[in-house]
Amino acid sequence: GENVEQHPSTLSVQEGDSAVIKCTYSDSASNYFPWYKQELGKRPQLIIDIRSNVGEKKDQRIAVTLNKTAKHFSLHITETQPEDSAVYFCAPGAAGNKLTFGGGTRVLVKP
Amino acid sequence: DTAVSQTPKYLVTQMGNDKSIKCEQNLGHDTMYWYKQDSKKFLKIMFSYNNKELIINETVPNRFSPKSPDKAHLNLHINSLELGDSAVYFCASSQGDGDEKLFFGSGTQLSVL
Repeated sequence: GENVEQHPSTLSVQEGDSAVIKCTYSDSASNYFPWYKQELGKRPQLIIDIRSNVGEKKDQRIAVTLNKTAKHFSLHITETQPEDSAVYFCAPGAAGNKLTFGGGTRVLVKP
Repeated sequence: DTAVSQTPKYLVTQMGNDKSIKCEQNLGHDTMYWYKQDSKKFLKIMFSYNNKELIINETVPNRFSPKSPDKAHLNLHINSLELGDSAVYFCASSQGDGDEKLFFGSGTQLSVL
């Protein structure tokens, strides 16, 4: 099965700085690469995703980059704000197949 | 209108009891899931149903039995609850057919005493 690792497991940044989380996966058949955000006590919610035919996707302050050869993709958050504090999960998968969640990265944005 | 709703939100019960969690989605999705999130926040898939048919059944004790009466509902019944079953259980749905975006319910916090 898919082996998914996220780094770092915790990340503390100053408000306004950037944050980067890396997700490494093992299954070369994976072609869908989403990131989910889970605020304290809430449900996970999709914030951005990318497919394997695209190298980068941006949505305001968040972006995802994919390196399919090296089997990793990253979440980039710029100009971090306190409301970005949450646990972030990557969940790579193949079309029509289950997503495998990484262990999560706890991000704390300090005002 | 809540897209994926599950009940109850909290469930506190004694070891050995049987309990059920209900889930409904009004998104018209074909695929529904149960995920378990432990105290360390690991999210693990338990079951997946596509149009009422079981398609994923991870290594889950057979005390856990999912039931899908129709494609908008996926319930989870747990027999003989154990301390280790304490977790947050999330229901989710996706369109399926190549669209894997997951929409989660608000979760059920199960505490087994």
